[in-house]
Amino acid sequence: SAVISQKPSRDICQRGTSLTIQCQVDSQVTMMFWYRQQPGQSLTLIATANQGSEATYESGFVIDKFPISRPNLTFSTLTVSNMSPEDSSIYLCSGGEDYGYTFGSGTRLTVV
Amino acid sequence: RKEVEQDPGPFNVPEGATVAFNCTYSNSASQSFFWYRQDCRKEPKLLMSVYSSGNEDGRFTAQLNRASQYISLLIRDSKLSDSATYLCASHGSSNTGKLIFGQGTTLQVKP
Repeated sequence: SAVISQKPSRDICQRGTSLTIQCQVDSQVTMMFWYRQQPGQSLTLIATANQGSEATYESGFVIDKFPISRPNLTFSTLTVSNMSPEDSSIYLCSGGEDYGYTFGSGTRLTVV
Repeated sequence: RKEVEQDPGPFNVPEGATVAFNCTYSNSASQSFFWYRQDCRKEPKLLMSVYSSGNEDGRFTAQLNRASQYISLLIRDSKLSDSATYLCASHGSSNTGKLIFGQGTTLQVKP
């Protein structure tokens, strides 16, 4: 299965700023996704990262707030824009084929 | 109603016990299901996939009941190292490939 490297692993950011999270996969994968996970809670899907086209966002998430890029089949970025303390969470990328996805190690974001 | 639901637990069991978790799904057209294990402050890791009636891997057995729309995970001879949160997930029916996760079930195996 694919191995996904995610960075940064953690960051503390000032409100109003933006943070870009990167995920690099060790092989070409069809699907990539971005999730958010609050401590002690399950994963909430933010969007599907589509290669070479605009991401598909889930209800409650918009492109202006969470722009996503996927220039090829091994790389994707998620930007958390104009951050507020409510954006403090763990952000995870996921990818692979439909027989089972793997996850990056997550980015623990704290907005102060 | 959430698309995928789990009893959050926690389940506290002694070493050597057999424990089972259920996960219900609302979309009858869902085709494939997964169990993930998540350790504290770590990413989820794929434990088992379930496409037809079930799957078995050592001490772990996953079963699918389409009539009642649930999947189960059975852990035999529990080890201390089995302590974790177990997440079930469904592909749903939209052919988008996305996984929808339940809220997870926490297992604590005690000596």
